[in-house]
Amino acid sequence: GENVEQHPSTLSVQEGDSAVIKCTYSDSASNYFPWYKQELGKRPQLIIDIRSNVGEKKDQRIAVTLNKTAKHFSLHITETQPEDSAVYFCAAPTGNQFYFGTGTSLTVIP
Amino acid sequence: GAVVSQHPSWVICKSGTSVKIECRSLDFQATTMFWYRQFPKQSLMLMATSNEGSKATYEQGVEKDKFLINHASLTLSTLTVTSAHPEDSSFYICSARATTEVVWTDTQYFGPGTRLTVL
Repeated sequence: GENVEQHPSTLSVQEGDSAVIKCTYSDSASNYFPWYKQELGKRPQLIIDIRSNVGEKKDQRIAVTLNKTAKHFSLHITETQPEDSAVYFCAAPTGNQFYFGTGTSLTVIP
Repeated sequence: GAVVSQHPSWVICKSGTSVKIECRSLDFQATTMFWYRQFPKQSLMLMATSNEGSKATYEQGVEKDKFLINHASLTLSTLTVTSAHPEDSSFYICSARATTEVVWTDTQYFGPGTRLTVL
């Protein structure tokens, strides 16, 4: 199946700084790339996604960039706030399977 | 928006017993449901993909006789952990994909999860 790698596994930033999380995938047929945020003990929530026909998508402080040639996509969070602290997962669905990255625990220090 | 429920949210059982977890799509029909397992501070590990009316597709390393999945209707999938042991203790999350979607969009609607503790 798809191999999705995510880096870094943990990330600490000062409030107001930017955070970047990167994922690489192996299946060139993947064409949809969502990012999820999961707070402790809760279900993952979709925060942003991108299709392969665009290179970047932005929604307020959150953006996702995609490089299909290199098979990687990144989540960018600007002006981080303490409530951004959570675990973030990327995913790269392929066929009828849905695989998540290993997760990044983001801590925003007030 | 689309709502997926899971029941129970938390269950404690004795070793050797079986536990059934239900995943329901409340306001949409789901041809495909996914079952994940999540250990503390780890990612969601796909266990199996469940299609309505057919046998589930299990990921490598997941015992199909241990984790029985049934997707009898377009709104319900069940995961039964048979002869549970302490190592089966985990957070189990389901998700559902709506039937109207023919391509991947934001169709992964997640349930709230079930925390299983096996004593």
